[in-house]
Amino acid sequence: GESVGLHLPTLSVQEGDNSIINCAYSNSASDYFIWYKQESGKGPQFIIDIRSNMDKRQGQRVTVLLNKTVKHLSLQIAATQPGDSAVYFCAERAGNTPLVFGKGTRLSVIA
Amino acid sequence: DAGVIQSPRHEVTEMGQEVTLRCKPISGHDYLFWYRQTMMRGLELLIYFNNNVPIDDSGMPEDRFSAKMPNASFSTLKIQPSEPRDSAVYFCASSIGGSTGELFFGEGSRLTVL
Repeated sequence: GESVGLHLPTLSVQEGDNSIINCAYSNSASDYFIWYKQESGKGPQFIIDIRSNMDKRQGQRVTVLLNKTVKHLSLQIAATQPGDSAVYFCAERAGNTPLVFGKGTRLSVIA
Repeated sequence: DAGVIQSPRHEVTEMGQEVTLRCKPISGHDYLFWYRQTMMRGLELLIYFNNNVPIDDSGMPEDRFSAKMPNASFSTLKIQPSEPRDSAVYFCASSIGGSTGELFFGEGSRLTVL
């Protein structure tokens, strides 16, 4: 589910299954990463963040994994629900610079 | 608690007209960001302010775009004259601190330039 080209990649998941959304980042100096969820017609909303001194962080039904070696970030959603259908963005930041957002992945939950 | 408030939510205008988008950040937040979202380019940072002072406007596409923050509770993004390629959703976001913490986004202003 990485963002390339002009079209958002789409991940379709059956309700109740786990979802894994991937993100590749390019800046090796990035030390802070966030996942945002954007529902149709709304602004992005914070889901979970992780600093570069960690490789895993868990929230409620969500887990973020960070692999700095290959500059890869993933968001795992457990027991995916219809309300999880949205576009998911990863964002990275290096030091005191603004967040840089990826292109996003659309998650479609099949009931 | 009120979040980031943007207005208008939707604006349709004709090419050449001036457009002004408004944003009220969350009280107490010292950083304010303007982003533009399109299908082609995703979320692009246009400009951001710290304590009402513009810090980086390198993302502003051209001189037709300008942004101001006259006080801690209000910012505007102005496009004059507008062009069809400016059609996008414009988001304002605020945060406490620039390198830590999350951005809180408004609901966006959808601009259509005919």
